[in-house]
Amino acid sequence: KNEVEQSPQNLTAQEGEFITINCSYSVGISALHWLQQHPGGGIVSLFMLSSGKKKHGRLIATINIQEKHSSLHITASHPRDSAVYICAALNFGNEKLTFGTGTRLTIIP
Amino acid sequence: KAGVTQTPRYLIKTRGQQVTLSCSPISGHRSVSWYQQTPGQGLQFLFEYFSETQRNKGNFPGRFSGRQFSNSRSEMNVSTLELGDSALYLCASSLALGTTYEQYFGPGTRLTVT
Repeated sequence: KNEVEQSPQNLTAQEGEFITINCSYSVGISALHWLQQHPGGGIVSLFMLSSGKKKHGRLIATINIQEKHSSLHITASHPRDSAVYICAALNFGNEKLTFGTGTRLTIIP
Repeated sequence: KAGVTQTPRYLIKTRGQQVTLSCSPISGHRSVSWYQQTPGQGLQFLFEYFSETQRNKGNFPGRFSGRQFSNSRSEMNVSTLELGDSALYLCASSLALGTTYEQYFGPGTRLTVT
């Protein structure tokens, strides 16, 4: 069993739909990191959160430390949101990131 | 401010050769981490350097090594290249101040071993 698991692995949706990507982890963490990777490889850090909820534009990330679960939501999805979304558990003590396998999101116009 | 830069962006090597990749962190960031991304294994942590010292290391063979210079720039080296070392190598620089933490990834170096 992976220490960080994401679901779904693949997600296809129509433009405008509300998107939810889930991340569960079994390790002790200092924070949970959500990353976006577009074709070509570049990775962008979307959120790093250790409690509660963060919002940036149409993206919202939540985390429940007790349940060891985090979600990434995208409101009013757009084709440019098509990418792979990766969650990663961070241990501040050793700066080690443990990655989920990623969710490939495709938004159809 | 300038982002994390990695050089070269693309590299083709043959089996048995060695390779050195470079990463320049964001100004003021003293921690640099390296990651390998392959289709089969996904993203995996290689090692992390802080103030010229390796603080943590992932589960990679000794052929993978790195170092950090006094200006926080970091290099990683892979010796005796194998076909399986073909991957995207990413570095990230980070800064932790109190409860504030920020991390930025570079664009990666795509290594192909033939």
